[in-house]
Amino acid sequence: GENVEQHPSTLSVQEGDSAVIKCTYSDSASNYFPWYKQELGKRPQLIIDIRSNVGEKKDQRIAVTLNKTAKHFSLHITETQPEDSAVYFCAARNSWGKFQFGAGTQVVVTP
Amino acid sequence: DAGVIQSPRHEVTEMGQEVTLRCKPISGHDYLFWYRQTMMRGLELLIYFNNNVPIDDSGMPEDRFSAKMPNASFSTLKIQPSEPRDSAVYFCASSLAADTQYFGPGTRLTVL
Repeated sequence: GENVEQHPSTLSVQEGDSAVIKCTYSDSASNYFPWYKQELGKRPQLIIDIRSNVGEKKDQRIAVTLNKTAKHFSLHITETQPEDSAVYFCAARNSWGKFQFGAGTQVVVTP
Repeated sequence: DAGVIQSPRHEVTEMGQEVTLRCKPISGHDYLFWYRQTMMRGLELLIYFNNNVPIDDSGMPEDRFSAKMPNASFSTLKIQPSEPRDSAVYFCASSLAADTQYFGPGTRLTVL
């Protein structure tokens, strides 16, 4: 079955710096890769997603890249702000519609 | 749209009791997912439905766990009997055509 690995598990960055989170997946048939942000005590919320026919997608300070050959995808946050502090999850969907989530990355942005 | 609705938001029960968690997906969505989140195990997919039919229940931990979806607007996750290790936050999520998932607010379950 699908296995998604996410690194790092924790990430501390200075405000204004960039943050990068990386995920790898095992099922080459996976075709949809969303990223979720979860603040303490809240539900996971989608922040950006990418499909297998696209290599990169950007939305303001957030971007996601996908390398299908290597089976990995990454989240990039530029000009980080304190409100970016949260847990971020990557996920991969297989052709059956089943999602597998990474273990999460705790991002702390220090002023 | 009200989004995914879950009830109760908090549940405290004693070991051995039956617990029923409820979920109302977003109207028109054809996929419904149940997840469990703990610090130790992260976000685990328990079971998911497509058009009210269970597709994959391989994540259901034991026979004590069962889930139903009697119609397109309602699903339940039942634990009987409950145990302290079942304490977690349980999320329901729904999506259209297995695309973007929208999560409910979650039910925080504490089993004493």
